[in-house]
Amino acid sequence: EDQVTQSPEALRLQEGESSSLNCSYTVSGLRGLFWYRQDPGKGPEFLFTLYSAGEEKEKERLKATLTKKESFLHITAPKPEDSATYLCAVQARNQFYFGTGTSLTVIP
Amino acid sequence: GAGVSQSPRYKVAKRGQDVALRCDPISGHVSLFWYQQALGQGPEFLTYFQNEAQLDKSGLPSDRFFAERPEGSVSTLKIQRTQQEDSAVYLCASTLEGLGPYEQYFGPGTRLTVT
Repeated sequence: EDQVTQSPEALRLQEGESSSLNCSYTVSGLRGLFWYRQDPGKGPEFLFTLYSAGEEKEKERLKATLTKKESFLHITAPKPEDSATYLCAVQARNQFYFGTGTSLTVIP
Repeated sequence: GAGVSQSPRYKVAKRGQDVALRCDPISGHVSLFWYQQALGQGPEFLTYFQNEAQLDKSGLPSDRFFAERPEGSVSTLKIQRTQQEDSAVYLCASTLEGLGPYEQYFGPGTRLTVT
């Protein structure tokens, strides 16, 4: 069964305290893995697409990496404005599967 | 340019009522997706259009759910005889090309509450 699991469910960090979010997946025919940020009351906002194992992408304080079974979203020296829910999604064949997200809170 | 817009933003329906949710994708985007997001969960795929053709509707939870995109731009998700379990945020997303992998641009969602 195709499945996407994110951990931890919630994460509280002090401002400047780096950490990583995990997304593990079991799908056949992976076409791409996506990271989104979702703020309360808003739709998901696209961050990254990763296509193949070993790929890495960076944007400001965020860096996404991909292996054959999981992806990590590394947050370096986070700021309070990075507080949000981070969603991972995979595209397998013609469908998209989302994880339940990691709720990140960055405390000043 | 304008992003994906959805209307209404909030809808309260009494159980048994029919509702229609509208999505205006980014102009020129070929593909359009509908998702259902329950509180504290990730979005769940409902259906997918490429232009006016509905290519996948396998995620629609029952035959009370119906989606259309007659002219290949605006889409409407209709729910007949709403039930309490239909309460959720309904998200629409569009992509420039066909079935990717391309990043999806999401609208703000319609929060449906069935009482």
